Amino acid sequence: EADIYQTPRYLVIGTGKKITLECSQTMGHDKMYWYQQDPGMELHLIHYSYGVNSTEKGDLSSESTVSRIRTEHFPLTLESARPSHTSQYLCASSEELAQTYNEQFFGPGTRLTVL
Amino acid sequence: KNQVEQSPQSLIILEGKNCTLQCNYTVSPFSNLRWYKQDTGRGPVSLTIMTFSENTKSNGRYTATLDADTKQSSLHITASQLSDSASYICVVSDRGSTLGRLYFGRGTQLTVWP
Repeated sequence: EADIYQTPRYLVIGTGKKITLECSQTMGHDKMYWYQQDPGMELHLIHYSYGVNSTEKGDLSSESTVSRIRTEHFPLTLESARPSHTSQYLCASSEELAQTYNEQFFGPGTRLTVL
Repeated sequence: KNQVEQSPQSLIILEGKNCTLQCNYTVSPFSNLRWYKQDTGRGPVSLTIMTFSENTKSNGRYTATLDADTKQSSLHITASQLSDSASYICVVSDRGSTLGRLYFGRGTQLTVWP
């Protein structure tokens, strides 16, 4: 099993609250990713990072922000949660760029519900 | 438009039976194709990865095939077990962008009944 962790696993929170979803990996991977997944739908890339101090927005527009101060840590923050943010958030990491043969390893996900 | 289409959307089979899941893609230029298994409430776990030159790859009871000419892939599960109940996601990577964009299918939800 991949050594990539996400906390919390489940979060129910009220509208307007600030939240941070944690993601950490112990594999020393430079590349990390955040995906959003709704039930029965495909994963959408919302943020990625090539390494420390590198962050980029993905294909799906998201009001969340990310930071990469340490190689192993890639937290995602929502300044003011809204019901439209209700979804599953998956963190992943890879040794090389996704286009190469090296695969992405996924964390268990955080199921976020905003009331 | 780069897309990944999977069929069927859902499938129910009896324990011990075989099944085949389909994936059609339009992603170009093609780099590789992956099949992931995603249990409910968990992150996807890789089953197989195939490049352009590979047309079949096995991982235990899972066998994936790739026809790069017709842009089709299949995942065959042999002697299904209850633990095979999950969503199976086909993911295609391109090599036309710096990031190496991954295109995800919506998955086939497989249910194995005893």
